[in-house]
Amino acid sequence: GAVVSQHPSRVICKSGTSVKIECRSLDFQATTMFWYRQFPKQSLMLMATSNEGSKATYEQGVEKDKFLINHASLTLSTLTVTSAHPEDSSFYICSASDWRHISSYNEQFFGPGTRLTVL
Amino acid sequence: QQQVKQSPQSLIVQKGGISIINCAYENTAFDYFPWYQQFPGKGPALLIAIRPDVSEKKEGRFTISFNKSAKQFSLHIMDSQPGDSATYFCAASNPSFYNQGGKLIFGQGTELSVKP
Repeated sequence: GAVVSQHPSRVICKSGTSVKIECRSLDFQATTMFWYRQFPKQSLMLMATSNEGSKATYEQGVEKDKFLINHASLTLSTLTVTSAHPEDSSFYICSASDWRHISSYNEQFFGPGTRLTVL
Repeated sequence: QQQVKQSPQSLIVQKGGISIINCAYENTAFDYFPWYQQFPGKGPALLIAIRPDVSEKKEGRFTISFNKSAKQFSLHIMDSQPGDSATYFCAASNPSFYNQGGKLIFGQGTELSVKP
């Protein structure tokens, strides 16, 4: 159980275009989804936290107008990178959790990641 | 105070040996300490986790030791195998984030290489 999928797994786009990444919890309902980015040989950097039906909470330094997050249902969150530039090239990873479970409220289950390359 | 410091940055162990990775934290409100394993090009996978009401948790070859007074916790991999070669991340979570499902603070990562 606790499977999280991401789509696409890899995307290459031209500078200035927008890219949408989907994150789905396949076998559980995710009250909260998190979006991270990871540069080579570095740790995961939290970008934003989204609760179903609410606006996302962005970490300091993350441009909310550039990284649009939608969490419209308990099984789907999307991250849209708007007007992507080469410096946005990174590995984007989502995770999901269900805070309603008392014994596991802060467990996070991670997706396989999406490699974004902006030319 | 929200940082989690992880060491070493890289580790080379012979097959069959014990791999030990350490983490230290400052925030005494943290109540959940997971370890994640990540292979290149993949998302992190939960390996084992501990809460501060116990000092040790073992699952197969993986053991977490937790020292609440020292604010440290460590991952021990017994009988290390080449297939264990990956990057390992410790993390910590604060219950005050419960309504956000538990925001994780990650350590810097340890690249483990197990030599045959």
